[in-house]
Amino acid sequence: EPEVTQTPSHQVTQMGQEVILRCVPISNHLYFYWYRQILGQKVEFLVSFYNNEISEKSEIFDDQFSVERPDGSNFTLKIRSTKLEDSAMYFCASRAIVSDTQYFGPGTRLTVL
Amino acid sequence: AQKVTQAQTEISVVEKEDVTLDCVYETRDTTYYLFWYKQPPSGELVFLIRRNSFDEQNEISGRYSWNFQKSTSSFNFTITASQVVDSAVYFCALSEPDTGRRALTFGSGTRLQVQP
Repeated sequence: EPEVTQTPSHQVTQMGQEVILRCVPISNHLYFYWYRQILGQKVEFLVSFYNNEISEKSEIFDDQFSVERPDGSNFTLKIRSTKLEDSAMYFCASRAIVSDTQYFGPGTRLTVL
Repeated sequence: AQKVTQAQTEISVVEKEDVTLDCVYETRDTTYYLFWYKQPPSGELVFLIRRNSFDEQNEISGRYSWNFQKSTSSFNFTITASQVVDSAVYFCALSEPDTGRRALTFGSGTRLQVQP
């Protein structure tokens, strides 16, 4: 069964450093999403992406965040200058054009020291 | 604004008990989707069910059943004869495609502990 994959599974970085989180969505899906979950809290929407542009974003998704689909398979989330409060699990999700069901990857745990 | 409330923070049951997880939502849209996701201790988010606002039929899948009631804006999830493997955090979520808001709004989750 096709699934969303994410790398790395865990990333540790120093405050102020840039990180890139990578996702490979399900191959025939055209809508891509990033969510985050601070430890013990609910899952929060960051951004959605379709046809090479952002279609929705939340107030969390400020100028330090960016997304990109650099090739036909990867979807990335870049955090330019990480802060301590960026420590969270980051989930990528994708959905098909004919469905409203989003399928999630296993997540990347980001730890900012 | 859309909102999803899961008032039960944590539930503990003994194996083979039935358990119901509550979900109440708020939306101004007439067309919306409701979801349940399971987050086991390993951390991934596993899709369980999607229900659209025009389909109020209850659904059963094995030991899982869902009760959607528009009159009370609720979409409750029942596990029959719970098992230890059901221990997880369960999230209810909402999307509103008519307003272009297909992003999921999640509730705060209910942690279910099933004791052997």
